[in-house]
Amino acid sequence: EPEVTQTPSHQVTQMGQEVILRCVPISNHLYFYWYRQILGQKVEFLVSFYNNEISEKSEIFDDQFSVERPDGSNFTLKIRSTKLEDSAMYFCASKRGPGGSNTGELFFGEGSRLTVL
Amino acid sequence: QKEVEQNSGPLSVPEGAIASLNCTYSDRGSQSFFWYRQYSGKSPELIMFIYSNGDKEDGRFTAQLNKASQYVSLLIRDSQPSDSATYLCAVSGGSYIPTFGRGTSLIVHP
Repeated sequence: EPEVTQTPSHQVTQMGQEVILRCVPISNHLYFYWYRQILGQKVEFLVSFYNNEISEKSEIFDDQFSVERPDGSNFTLKIRSTKLEDSAMYFCASKRGPGGSNTGELFFGEGSRLTVL
Repeated sequence: QKEVEQNSGPLSVPEGAIASLNCTYSDRGSQSFFWYRQYSGKSPELIMFIYSNGDKEDGRFTAQLNKASQYVSLLIRDSQPSDSATYLCAVSGGSYIPTFGRGTSLIVHP
């Protein structure tokens, strides 16, 4: 069964360092997302990406964050200068179609746990 | 601000019982409703989605939607210890981007 894969599974970094989290969405999916979940809190939307550009972003997704699809398969989230409060589990997700009917199902990767010291 | 509210629980039910999980949402324009299961330290896994008022059944799971009351629920029949997890309600509108609730922790005890 196709799945969303994420690397690394866990990254520890020092405050102020740059971090890149990588995702390989399901191959025939067109819509890509990053969510995050701070420990004990809810899953929060960061950004959505379609047709090689950001389609929507939340207040959390400030200038420290960027996303890229550098080739035909990878989808990356970069945090330029990490802060302590960026410590969270970051989930990549993808879906086949825009929404409604059977194309609106969001598939999540296993997550990348980021710890900022 | 679109809000999705769930009782954090924990909801504790005996094995074999029906577990009832509830969710309310603030945006009347919401169109798609999802229930995800999340085991501790793992990613959300989709259980059910529902778009129309009424009930939708899939095996032991039934999702119920009432758009007039802005309410969606999930019933788990014949609950098993393996159902113990956090259940996340997610709602999306015209942008089709799900907004998640905090989740309800379910404990099924033998």
